[in-house]
Amino acid sequence: NAGVTQTPKFQVLKTGQSMTLQCAQDMNHEYMSWYRQDPGMGLRLIHYSVGAGITDQGEVPNGYNVSRSTTEDFPLRLLSAAPSQTSVYFCASSGTGRAYEQFFGPGTRLTVL
Amino acid sequence: KNEVEQSPQNLTAQEGEFITINCSYSVGISALHWLQQHPGGGIVSLFMLSSGKKKHGRLIATINIQEKHSSLHITASHPRDSAVYICAVTTYGQNFVFGPGTRLSVLP
Repeated sequence: NAGVTQTPKFQVLKTGQSMTLQCAQDMNHEYMSWYRQDPGMGLRLIHYSVGAGITDQGEVPNGYNVSRSTTEDFPLRLLSAAPSQTSVYFCASSGTGRAYEQFFGPGTRLTVL
Repeated sequence: KNEVEQSPQNLTAQEGEFITINCSYSVGISALHWLQQHPGGGIVSLFMLSSGKKKHGRLIATINIQEKHSSLHITASHPRDSAVYICAVTTYGQNFVFGPGTRLSVLP
């Protein structure tokens, strides 16, 4: 199993550009989530999904959209990038059989100029 | 006040030392997690606890539900243990609430 994969690993955007961060898992997990990690702060939840077709907002959802059309994929869209969105983004997934242990992707380092 | 707090924020130890990292939380939880993040690396789950104590190799994690406190211990520390250790809790759902992390450096 590949586990949780994310692409790209690095990305530089200009203010106002849009892009999609890809996340996929091959563990048939129902729960998937996106976090951002900023220096000096803990990871913060952006959006999450408890299954295909179901998404909800986390702590810091503004400026981001998500969709969940399949169990495997959970892309994160930046609608109009801003320098405040410079961060490292992690995707994670979990099943329900092990009391919500989460598996994390390798992260995407995004810089918005 | 953050829902999950950790101490210390930074820790430097000599190889071989016994290390303790503390986590306290202020919300009701279904489980507590200890995660490890190496510099520039991804995040790996070390332990998931809802009570008592767990041991894996040189790592030991304990939790006291009544006191809302958990500790992560590393025995016979090694430079390869240098990483950020993150405490996180799951509340009565599946979302994680993360602590700010403890940056550990183990010197040879």
